[in-house]
Amino acid sequence: GDSVTQTEGQVTVSESKSLIINCTYSATSIAYPNLFWYVRYPGEGLQLLLKVITAGQKGSSRGFEATYNKETTSFHLQKASVQESDSAVYYCALSLRNNNNAPRFGAGTKLTVKP
Amino acid sequence: GGIITQTPKFLIGQEGQKLTLKCQQNFNHDTMYWYRQDSGKGLRLIYYSITENDLQKGDLSEGYDASREKKSSFSLTVTSAQKNEMAVFLCASSPRGWGAEQYFGPGTRLTVL
Repeated sequence: GDSVTQTEGQVTVSESKSLIINCTYSATSIAYPNLFWYVRYPGEGLQLLLKVITAGQKGSSRGFEATYNKETTSFHLQKASVQESDSAVYYCALSLRNNNNAPRFGAGTKLTVKP
Repeated sequence: GGIITQTPKFLIGQEGQKLTLKCQQNFNHDTMYWYRQDSGKGLRLIYYSITENDLQKGDLSEGYDASREKKSSFSLTVTSAQKNEMAVFLCASSPRGWGAEQYFGPGTRLTVL
């Protein structure tokens, strides 16, 4: 079935350093999936960070970027210089277009940014 | 803008008890979802509803019932709560179309004694 894999459960990075959070996906349908990153900041609800619906394109928000790579079936989240306020749990997700298939989520990666 | 409201925020029940969680949204979205999240784990889909009176089972539907009474509300019932079952139940909604982003409620934290 369709699935999303986030290999790191927790990541710790020092402030102003670069970040990459890995996400790979498996989609059984021939239709390419839509890909999402959601974020939960401490004390807040889950919210959309960015999404990309076309293979090869890049999404960006709040200094974060993710490129939809259909060859490697990946959608890694990157940021050049993290801040303490980026500390949160990040979830990668996919859904299929034109298909009665509800979104699938990865297990989440907890990011801690050290001052 | 809109908001998703989940009630109650905390739910404590006894083993074997039937428990109901409620969700309301004022986005006027067609599709609504119930997810379960265990500590340190990802979201697992329990039920979803594409429109009023529609119900679709997710991966984790066993042990749960759902009801979409009207467009704005979606209820989830734990048919027989299991001891030591602790999880957060998240409600979400999205516009029609499976590429659409989801909007989430704050969650209901369930504890079964």
